[in-house]
Amino acid sequence: GAVVSQHPSWVICKSGTSVKIECRSLDFQATTMFWYRQFPKQSLMLMATSNEGSKATYEQGVEKDKFLINHASLTLSTLTVTSAHPEDSSFYICSTKPGQGEYSPLHFGNGTRLTVT
Amino acid sequence: GNSVTQMEGPVTLSEEAFLTINCTYTATGYPSLFWYVQYPGEGLQLLLKATKADDKGSNKGFEATYRKETTSFHLEKGSVQVSDSAVYFCALSDNTDKLIFGTGTRLQVFP
Repeated sequence: GAVVSQHPSWVICKSGTSVKIECRSLDFQATTMFWYRQFPKQSLMLMATSNEGSKATYEQGVEKDKFLINHASLTLSTLTVTSAHPEDSSFYICSTKPGQGEYSPLHFGNGTRLTVT
Repeated sequence: GNSVTQMEGPVTLSEEAFLTINCTYTATGYPSLFWYVQYPGEGLQLLLKATKADDKGSNKGFEATYRKETTSFHLEKGSVQVSDSAVYFCALSDNTDKLIFGTGTRLQVFP
């Protein structure tokens, strides 16, 4: 069964509003979570790395004030898209893994499809 | 910078046909290479991986060989099944947990 739960699976919001996406690790503690975004017919692009108890690390070109990440516990990271616009419509996916080391595989959530009208 | 290019889909095959999904990469150094699969309604799952040149990753009948000379990591399966219908993503990492993905290739297998 799923070890990473992502919610909601899809959301429609009006332009200018904010949307929060949750990513939970179900069977393990996750000190690090990764947030990806996928536009239609394009690659998954890493947006940011979320670290429990500290500030997230954003990839170049990703606005940290627009995509707020909170990783307040070892099992939950949230991504809030603030003042959403139609160009933010995309598929957002989180991933994480239990433990450290190269042999610990990444687990992915099912993704959240955001549509901004 | 590092990048991954994979063939566009959809790839449509009959059951028991041979599958190849091409993947090439650009990277500095010696990346690890991965194939992930996303079945309908589910999250991405690691299918196989290879961490150095000439390594062959294999799982569930799928194989891919890390070819440094051609910078490729093509996915193959000798006989596909309807249950293999999914989206397949090629990816690389510079040996951190950060993955760089290809665009994904949708495979449709018909009985």
